[in-house]
Amino acid sequence: DAKTTQPTSMDCAEGRAANLPCNHSTISGNEYVYWYRQIHSQGPQYIIHGLKNNETNEMASLIITEDRKSSTLILPHATLRDTAVYYCIVRAWNTGNQFYFGTGTSLTVIP
Amino acid sequence: ETGVTQTPRHLVMGMTNKKSLKCEQHLGHNAMYWYKQSAKKPLELMFVYNFKEQTENNSVPSRFSPECPNSSHLFLHLHTLQPEDSALYLCASSQDNGVAKNIQYFGAGTRLSVL
Repeated sequence: DAKTTQPTSMDCAEGRAANLPCNHSTISGNEYVYWYRQIHSQGPQYIIHGLKNNETNEMASLIITEDRKSSTLILPHATLRDTAVYYCIVRAWNTGNQFYFGTGTSLTVIP
Repeated sequence: ETGVTQTPRHLVMGMTNKKSLKCEQHLGHNAMYWYKQSAKKPLELMFVYNFKEQTENNSVPSRFSPECPNSSHLFLHLHTLQPEDSALYLCASSQDNGVAKNIQYFGAGTRLSVL
């Protein structure tokens, strides 16, 4: 699986957009980008995934650069409940079961 | 509510006890997973079951024994644990079908303390 690099921590003002970057410069053509988040002491929660097109769902938007070497998760209107650790994972669907979450970005939404 | 239920939510046990963690998924998935998350560390995959068959065991000590009686239920049997086994134990499920395989739904976890 391709390695990902995320900032250790970020702050965002409540009501503003939170933009969480992820670098994955060694991504392969068959690898997808997945985003999860983990609120303190709870299980991780799937947010969104994409291959090369931008994606949007009720939780967030995922913007993937044209060269696929980086992506940004956007929470359009951050709330205090969005405070969590956000994990960017790059993985092909057919490469076994191991799913490496890494250390992620700790996002703090400030009132 | 993720559709994956873990019980108990909290467990305190002595090193000589035997206990079991239970996981149940109501999503119709055919793959289930056990993860361990120690303080300040990334999640570690422990076991994977696909269609009730164990397909992965990541060098987990034998004091942890998984059981998957059907595709909806997963157990983790614990015996003679060590204090360093204290952690959050997470269960997850997914549909083992292409891209969906990597969309895992997690339970809330069992916070285990070994005294």
